[in-house]
Amino acid sequence: AQSVTQLDSQVPVFEEAPVELRCNYSSSVSVYLFWYVQYPNQGLQLLLKYLSGSTLVESINGFEAEFNKSQTSFHLRKPSVHISDTAEYFCAVKNFNKFYFGSGTKLNVKP
Amino acid sequence: DAGVTQSPTHLIKTRGQQVTLRCSPKSGHDTVSWYQQALGQGPQFIFQYYEEEERQRGNFPDRFSGHQFPNYSSELNVNALLLGDSALYLCASSLLTSGGTGELFFGEGSRLTVL
Repeated sequence: AQSVTQLDSQVPVFEEAPVELRCNYSSSVSVYLFWYVQYPNQGLQLLLKYLSGSTLVESINGFEAEFNKSQTSFHLRKPSVHISDTAEYFCAVKNFNKFYFGSGTKLNVKP
Repeated sequence: DAGVTQSPTHLIKTRGQQVTLRCSPKSGHDTVSWYQQALGQGPQFIFQYYEEEERQRGNFPDRFSGHQFPNYSSELNVNALLLGDSALYLCASSLLTSGGTGELFFGEGSRLTVL
């Protein structure tokens, strides 16, 4: 079975500062990679995904993630965060039509 | 275009009782997956339904069962509730024929509290 590790359970950061949320996965086969965001009392929403091609993928709200096959990582970054980015972020791996989620990273953006 | 809808949003049960949670997938989707999200944890895969059959199952006991109807909607049943079953139960839909690249679309969840 796959495992997804999100090393940081909480990341506090000031508004307009850069942030990186780390994600590593265990796999020796090709996988599809996803980042989901969960706002309080809501379900998960897709932020971005890597399926193939360019290893750098971007979301519409300024987040980006880079697939690194040798490091088996898919870290999420944003150069300048906003208060509205405060949420919990989940990294996920899809393999054989089954999703495996990390334990989540709570991003707390402070003014 | 309606997204994934779940009901009820909140419910409280006592130990030993049974619960049924319901889910309607996003329009055009044919596959429904159920996840359990305990407090402070990531979603844990319970099972997946496609063509009215359970196709994959996670590491959950037989007390957890499900059903998919011809209109693709789905139910999750949990029997003999335990305190540890308290969690947010998430339904997610997808399109199986998307070549394996399709993402999950989640509902807002049903929060179950077992007393």
